[in-house]
Amino acid sequence: GAVVSQHPSWVICKSGTSVKIECRSLDFQATTMFWYRQFPKQSLMLMATSNEGSKATYEQGVEKDKFLINHASLTLSTLTVTSAHPEDSSFYICSASREGGVSNQPQHFGDGTRLSIL
Amino acid sequence: GNSVTQMEGPVTLSEEAFLTINCTYTATGYPSLFWYVQYPGEGLQLLLKATKADDKGSNKGFEATYRKETTSFHLEKGSVQVSDSAVYFCALKEGAQKLVFGQGTRLTINP
Repeated sequence: GAVVSQHPSWVICKSGTSVKIECRSLDFQATTMFWYRQFPKQSLMLMATSNEGSKATYEQGVEKDKFLINHASLTLSTLTVTSAHPEDSSFYICSASREGGVSNQPQHFGDGTRLSIL
Repeated sequence: GNSVTQMEGPVTLSEEAFLTINCTYTATGYPSLFWYVQYPGEGLQLLLKATKADDKGSNKGFEATYRKETTSFHLEKGSVQVSDSAVYFCALKEGAQKLVFGQGTRLTINP
């Protein structure tokens, strides 16, 4: 159990376009979902925490208007990179927590999305 | 604030060697501790966890013991395989606070 599906796994697009990444919890309800960014050979950087039905909480330094997060249901959160530029190229990973992230339950991660902006 | 420090990689071992990846943490309270593994081009998978002092997490031959006195959660495996080649992340989580990751340790196992 605790499967998180992320789609697409790889996307290449032109500079200036917007890209949407989906994160789904397939077999559990995820009150809280998390979005991370990972640069090559580095650790994960938390971008934002999203709770179902409410606005996402962004980490310091992350542009809210650039990275739009929607968590419309208990099984789906989306990250939209608006007007993407080459510096937005990265590996984006989502995770989901069963219990709202409050308890010490682990987060379950998707397989990531490699975004390349030309 | 809370933090996690892992031994620097990369670590290269021969198949069937003994593995230790050190992890120490700093926390204000009593966090849960985790090891995640990331295979090339993939997201993270939970490898094992421990939620309180002296707990031992284990999975797929890997073990780690929550040592409060030394604030450590070292990852060990008695006999590694080529398929264990991956990046390993130690992490902690304290209550409602966010998951805090170490910098990751790249492990390569040669046949």
